[in-house]
Amino acid sequence: QKEVEQNSGPLSVPEGAIASLNCTYSDRGSQSFFWYRQYSGKSPELIMFIYSNGDKEDGRFTAQLNKASQYVSLLIRDSQPSDSATYLCAVRETGRRALTFGSGTRLQVQP
Amino acid sequence: ETGVTQTPRHLVMGMTNKKSLKCEQHLGHNAMYWYKQSAKKPLELMFVYSLEERVENNSVPSRFSPECPNSSHLFLHLHTLQPEDSALYLCASSQEQGYVTEAFFGQGTRLTVV
Repeated sequence: QKEVEQNSGPLSVPEGAIASLNCTYSDRGSQSFFWYRQYSGKSPELIMFIYSNGDKEDGRFTAQLNKASQYVSLLIRDSQPSDSATYLCAVRETGRRALTFGSGTRLQVQP
Repeated sequence: ETGVTQTPRHLVMGMTNKKSLKCEQHLGHNAMYWYKQSAKKPLELMFVYSLEERVENNSVPSRFSPECPNSSHLFLHLHTLQPEDSALYLCASSQEQGYVTEAFFGQGTRLTVV
């Protein structure tokens, strides 16, 4: 069964620290990978996507992809209390139109 | 109106009721999706429509019936639901183009079946 796995957390970091969120996926043929942020009671919002091995930076966010290890991560630098949310990893698996989501990691940034 | 809009935002219905959820996207996308989000479970894909044709149906019970009359509108018709169907129902859309097809979500409909 194809899966996207995340640690449910909560991951607690102090304000100003780097938060590191991890995700593994089982479909080796997956081509594109997405990180969404979901505040409690709200819908997921796209933070960034990555499809090439290596790092991709966007402001305080860096996505990292290692296809050989089937691993994708999201780093949040200078974490703020407003970053406290659930972060969802999503993968476009081989032959699928829709994204497959992990169950999310809850991040808590302590002031 | 911009993005993906869902109505109603909240819905309480009895097990014998019939109701419909509506989704409208203003992004010019060619694919639309229904997802179900229950507490402490991953987002579950229910249906996929591409160019108004249903292309995926992930073993969803027949009490859920989707309809996509055009590329901008998507409905989810509900009848004789069960309490375990209570969840957040999310509509999303994307533009199928290559393999980077990020999905944009509506605000969701919080459904409670009593």
